[in-house]
Amino acid sequence: GAVVSQHPSWVICKSGTSVKIECRSLDFQATTMFWYRQFPKQSLMLMATSNEGSKATYEQGVEKDKFLINHASLTLSTLTVTSAHPEDSSFYICSARVGLAGFTGELFFGEGSRLTVL
Amino acid sequence: KNQVEQSPQSLIILEGKNCTLQCNYTVSPFSNLRWYKQDTGRGPVSLTIMTFSENTKSNGRYTATLDADTKQSSLHITASQLSDSASYICVVSAESGANNLFFGTGTRLTVIP
Repeated sequence: GAVVSQHPSWVICKSGTSVKIECRSLDFQATTMFWYRQFPKQSLMLMATSNEGSKATYEQGVEKDKFLINHASLTLSTLTVTSAHPEDSSFYICSARVGLAGFTGELFFGEGSRLTVL
Repeated sequence: KNQVEQSPQSLIILEGKNCTLQCNYTVSPFSNLRWYKQDTGRGPVSLTIMTFSENTKSNGRYTATLDADTKQSSLHITASQLSDSASYICVVSAESGANNLFFGTGTRLTVIP
C-alpha cells in the first residue's frame, strides 16, 4: 500500500530555534497533504492543509507565521516550526490523500515526528 | 455543525474478550467513514473505509458497521489481543469543502492479560 514517510521521527531543540519536519509520499503523488498536532492522550488536531503549488490553508487558531508549510512538489511537504518554544513540544503527524477530495480516496498517515523544545 | 463523537473515551478489557466502539457523526453531506488504529507514538493506520452504501466491512478481527440513516458507526473487535491496545479514531469525510475531514477524539483501548 501507499507509504507516507516523515523525517525526523524525533527531534530535540533549544527554545528559539527553528525545526523543519518533512513529509513524503513515497509511491504516489499527493496534491494535498495535511498536518496535525497531537498532545498526549488527545486526538489529532488538524493544523493546516497543504496544497501543492499554492499556499497552505490554516485552521483557526494556528499561527501561519509560526508554522510555515511548503508543498514544493507532489511528493513533499514540509512543516517548519519557527522560534520554537516549550509549549510547541508535541507529536506532529502528516497525512496524504490518494484520490480526489470527497471521494473514497484513502488517507495515509506518516509515522509522526515528536518535537521536544527545551 | 459537522462533528464526530466517539464513545467510550477509554475502555479496558481482558484478553480474548470482544468489544465494540461507537462513532456518531453529524457530518453532511456524508461521503465516507474511516476507522484508524493508532499505537502510542505512531501514526494512525487505516482499518476500514466505508461509503454510504456499505453496512458492514471486516478486516480480520475488526468489523465496522455503518448506519447512514442514524449516522452511527461501530467498530467491533473480536477475540482481543494485547496488541489491540491502541487508540481507535473515527474519521468522517464530507462530500465537499476544502477541509472535509472530521476527526473523532478517539477511544483508548487497553487489553490486559
